[in-house]
Amino acid sequence: RKEVEQDPGPFNVPEGATVAFNCTYSNSASQSFFWYRQDCRKEPKLLMSVYSSGNEDGRFTAQLNRASQYISLLIRDSKLSDSATYLCAVTEGSNYKLTFGKGTLLTVNP
Amino acid sequence: GAGVSQSPSNKVTEKGKDVELRCDPISGHTALYWYRQSLGQGLEFLIYFQGNSAPDKSGLPSDRFSAERTGGSVSTLTIQRTQQEDSAVYLCASSLGGGGAGELFFGEGSRLTVL
Repeated sequence: RKEVEQDPGPFNVPEGATVAFNCTYSNSASQSFFWYRQDCRKEPKLLMSVYSSGNEDGRFTAQLNRASQYISLLIRDSKLSDSATYLCAVTEGSNYKLTFGKGTLLTVNP
Repeated sequence: GAGVSQSPSNKVTEKGKDVELRCDPISGHTALYWYRQSLGQGLEFLIYFQGNSAPDKSGLPSDRFSAERTGGSVSTLTIQRTQQEDSAVYLCASSLGGGGAGELFFGEGSRLTVL
């Protein structure tokens, strides 16, 4: 089983839609969780951290389910500018080594 | 500069040649990472430097790969006797502390093509 797995997509949704991505991780000792966004041929940038209690930032909501070992990202009211690849990242037990998933490609259509 | 700087942005080389990729992290960031990203693939961890501690080299794919970080700042990733499968974008990132404690800031990457 891969350490961090994501559905590669692509997800094609219309503007205004709600879309959700899941990411599963294999190391139960993982302590920190993140969602990164990567635009085409650009570097990844942090979108949001994922906290145990769940957290929201505008249209974006991240949640952690430790029992089932997955994190999720929900995007409400999708915008064209949300089109990108979304990478989940999980630290190993050492808490510094970030392991990334392969990413989920989202395309928001007009 | 304000961000992580990498050079060269693009490098085309012939199989068997050595290449050096440079990373200049954000000033004051003690942690520095190298990842690589092949077409359609995720980020593959290569190596991690933290302050004066011994680096975590567990991700280096072979002994043709090496990296150093001088003076706790600039880092160089060296690939000897390049192979076609080394073609990828090599991304450097820095953070204030370990990845679990803070955000990783990535450079724009060095795109390596081995012919």
